[in-house]
Amino acid sequence: AQKVTQAQTEISVVEKEDVTLDCVYETRDTTYYLFWYKQPPSGELVFLIRRNSFDEQNEISGRYSWNFQKSTSSFNFTITASQVVDSAVYFCALRSQGAQKLVFGQGTRLTINP
Amino acid sequence: DTGVSQDPRHKITKRGQNVTFRCDPISEHNRLYWYRQTLGQGPEFLTYFQNEAQLEKSRLLSDRFSAERPKGSFSTLEIQRTEQGDSAMYLCASSLVPGPQETQYFGPGTRLLVL
Repeated sequence: AQKVTQAQTEISVVEKEDVTLDCVYETRDTTYYLFWYKQPPSGELVFLIRRNSFDEQNEISGRYSWNFQKSTSSFNFTITASQVVDSAVYFCALRSQGAQKLVFGQGTRLTINP
Repeated sequence: DTGVSQDPRHKITKRGQNVTFRCDPISEHNRLYWYRQTLGQGPEFLTYFQNEAQLEKSRLLSDRFSAERPKGSFSTLEIQRTEQGDSAMYLCASSLVPGPQETQYFGPGTRLLVL
């Protein structure tokens, strides 16, 4: 069975602080794909990143960075110098090779206060 | 590139009525997915199409739900005899396969409220 756990239901920080969103996943498959999506109040899920299970390199994109650790089955997301526009619900998702559907976590609501 | 579009964005209906939602995928995308998202939860998979063929349906898709993608382009999701428990956001996504970096891109969703 596949499962994604985002233990942090809500996080609130002050603008310019760094914040890390946790994601822990479960799968028996050796090949799988991990994703992060952002859902602003408008409702649309915005794709942020995809990571393949065989590529453990961490990635940085501007203020965003992702830390993938297979040993702990985690794929954490860090926002550096947060901004009010980063306020949204963030979802981590998993897809196993051979499966088509995404399995989502429950999401973390991030609020950045000015 | 035009993104995934969904219509309507909001729908309020009375219990027992039928509703139909439309999804237009990104052009050239051959896969189309439907998900349902209830308040405070992550999206849950309902079904997906490759071209016009419906290849997988979730147990969540009761016999009151039917989805079609008749010409392999847009898709419709119909709910018959709506119940209050059907109130949710219905999200559509599309992707292109095969592809080394297959990724599902989502539309803005249709928010359904059943009174």
